[in-house]
Amino acid sequence: GAGVSQTPSNKVTEKGKYVELRCDPISGHTALYWYRQSLGQGPEFLIYFQGTGAADDSGLPNDRFFAVRPEGSVSTLKIQRTERGDSAVYLCASSFYQGAHEQFFGPGTRLTVL
Amino acid sequence: AQSVTQLDSQVPVFEEAPVELRCNYSSSVSVYLFWYVQYPNQGLQLLLKYLSGSTLVESINGFEAEFNKSQTSFHLRKPSVHISDTAEYFCAVSGTSGTYKYIFGTGTRLKVLA
Repeated sequence: GAGVSQTPSNKVTEKGKYVELRCDPISGHTALYWYRQSLGQGPEFLIYFQGTGAADDSGLPNDRFFAVRPEGSVSTLKIQRTERGDSAVYLCASSFYQGAHEQFFGPGTRLTVL
Repeated sequence: AQSVTQLDSQVPVFEEAPVELRCNYSSSVSVYLFWYVQYPNQGLQLLLKYLSGSTLVESINGFEAEFNKSQTSFHLRKPSVHISDTAEYFCAVSGTSGTYKYIFGTGTRLKVLA
């Protein structure tokens, strides 16, 4: 079956602009995670959804970052007033349910802020 | 809080030689442990995991890892590597309750030489 998909695969924007990154989890997966991977680093947790609600947003770096999952499937990560330091690969992962112990990762969106 | 340390950023090894990729973790609570692999231009894929039971876990492609609670380690080993094992390997931990978000190490790039 289809895996986790993320669009766009690459996004180049200018400092100060607004961007949206989309994640389509595996069908039927109720748990969804966003991570950010900077160059030379491992992925860092941003936010976790169980169903439609954000159960843990402790990894969001500041209030310029926001994510939604209105119908419990597709999720959108929104970044306002982008900064050069936001440049990274943004990864989305899903799992069948909370505590399923395996997260399935998408290919990521590479965000470059000029 | 939890943390993961992968001391080796790069490991070159000749084909058919053994390899060990080191992972140490720190946590005040019980953890689950994972190794993920990222092949060039692909997303993260689960290689193996330790949840409970036998401390030695194996993957289908010949890798194994051993959970050592006293040394807080989860090193990854393979007795004979192939060119196709060239990839980046990430060690991760999650709590055994709550959101199960992953804390990743910084990754080890394994390069298998002919």
